[in-house]
Amino acid sequence: SQQGEEDPQALSIQEGENATMNCSYKTSINNLQWYRQNSGRGLVHLILIRSNEREKHSGRLRVTLDTSKKSSSLLITASRAADTASYFCATISQGGSEKLVFGKGTKLTVNP
Amino acid sequence: EAQVTQNPRYLITVTGKKLTVTCSQNMNHEYMSWYRQDPGLGLRQIYYSMNVEVTDKGDVPEGYKVSRKEKRNFPLILESPSPNQTSLYFCASSWGGTRGEQYFGPGTRLTVT
Repeated sequence: SQQGEEDPQALSIQEGENATMNCSYKTSINNLQWYRQNSGRGLVHLILIRSNEREKHSGRLRVTLDTSKKSSSLLITASRAADTASYFCATISQGGSEKLVFGKGTKLTVNP
Repeated sequence: EAQVTQNPRYLITVTGKKLTVTCSQNMNHEYMSWYRQDPGLGLRQIYYSMNVEVTDKGDVPEGYKVSRKEKRNFPLILESPSPNQTSLYFCASSWGGTRGEQYFGPGTRLTVT
């Protein structure tokens, strides 16, 4: 049961540029989380935004949430080669289900 | 150090040979879950556990079993593995169920021939 869908599937940029990834979802949510995965490794939590929040910052990360459009975006500013990874959004639907559903991810490549 | 550990990290086995992948967390988390990750399909939840002795099916539970006898451990059991269970498996835990930050293990790459 796919909930979040990231866009684009792949993104290639130069070091120092900003990277923007988008996530769209289908049903009302309690919160939305973003994770990063370096190749073949475990996912690492980046940021959680609640349904009543519109924007959240963490270091070079900025996440926005538009519940009317059922979408979120993750912006990485001043990207570095070390930011090369796959980025996933994850959501749980309102209504009590405890299933966290991940999108298929955006593969980001930052070229030195 | 707060962490989720999985063993083994890599496993090659044959069809039908029962195996167990262990998962342990040292953060006293109540919620634990198992995912499999396949190219083009993303992460899919296999089973989850809200607390000791409380487990429930995720989206792809067929062919898997779990148990939660202790808070820290959540083993994944494949009674009769088949080649379509070849995948990268992740265990995760959190304090606030799915509403909180998930801590993931390093993954177990399983190949069933």
